[in-house]
Amino acid sequence: AQTVTQSQPEMSVQEAETVTLSCTYDTSESNYYLFWYKQPPSRQMILVIRQEAYKQQNATENRFSVNFQKAAKSFSLKISDSQLGDTAMYFCAFMKQGSNYQLIWGAGTKLIIKP
Amino acid sequence: GAVVSQHPSWVICKSGTSVKIECRSLDFQATTMFWYRQFPKQSLMLMATSNEGSKATYEQGVEKDKFLINHASLTLSTLTVTSAHPEDSSFYICSARDTSLTDTQYFGPGTRLTVL
Repeated sequence: AQTVTQSQPEMSVQEAETVTLSCTYDTSESNYYLFWYKQPPSRQMILVIRQEAYKQQNATENRFSVNFQKAAKSFSLKISDSQLGDTAMYFCAFMKQGSNYQLIWGAGTKLIIKP
Repeated sequence: GAVVSQHPSWVICKSGTSVKIECRSLDFQATTMFWYRQFPKQSLMLMATSNEGSKATYEQGVEKDKFLINHASLTLSTLTVTSAHPEDSSFYICSARDTSLTDTQYFGPGTRLTVL
């Protein structure tokens, strides 16, 4: 069975700083997707970034980028020039390709951006 | 981007009554929708997977007779909490799989259910 581990329960940084959130996963599959979702205080779950395992290039979405290390089964999220609106819970998730499309979730990291 | 709506956003009901929550994909078709429950400060717990036109698949420990799921169209899935009790009070979230965007799930804003 697949598992997703987020080892940082909570992090806080100053506005405009760069922060990296860690995520590791365990799977024997070779084809899968990885996601980072953000859940702000409104509790609306928002997709931040996705990565296909077969792609070697790290995904990037504006200030958000990932460091995908397939061999190490690591999928960290880097947020550059952090903003107050980035304050949220961040969840890492795994999905096996061609499966029932269920997401396996990490426990989440609470990120606080301080002014 | 893909938008999923959920209604109501907040509902209070008396113990023993039933509550229906609707989940709609507004700008895409979703053959598969998911229902989650989220306890405070915790991750999402999958309750069931709903496929359009067929019976939902429930996760272990989730009572299918208590949490009725219907996915009658490609844009609508409903969750009915039957004979609700205070322990059913929680935050319920739905998501819809957008098959045109390589299987990414998009989430509704959630429904806070309080059972008195």
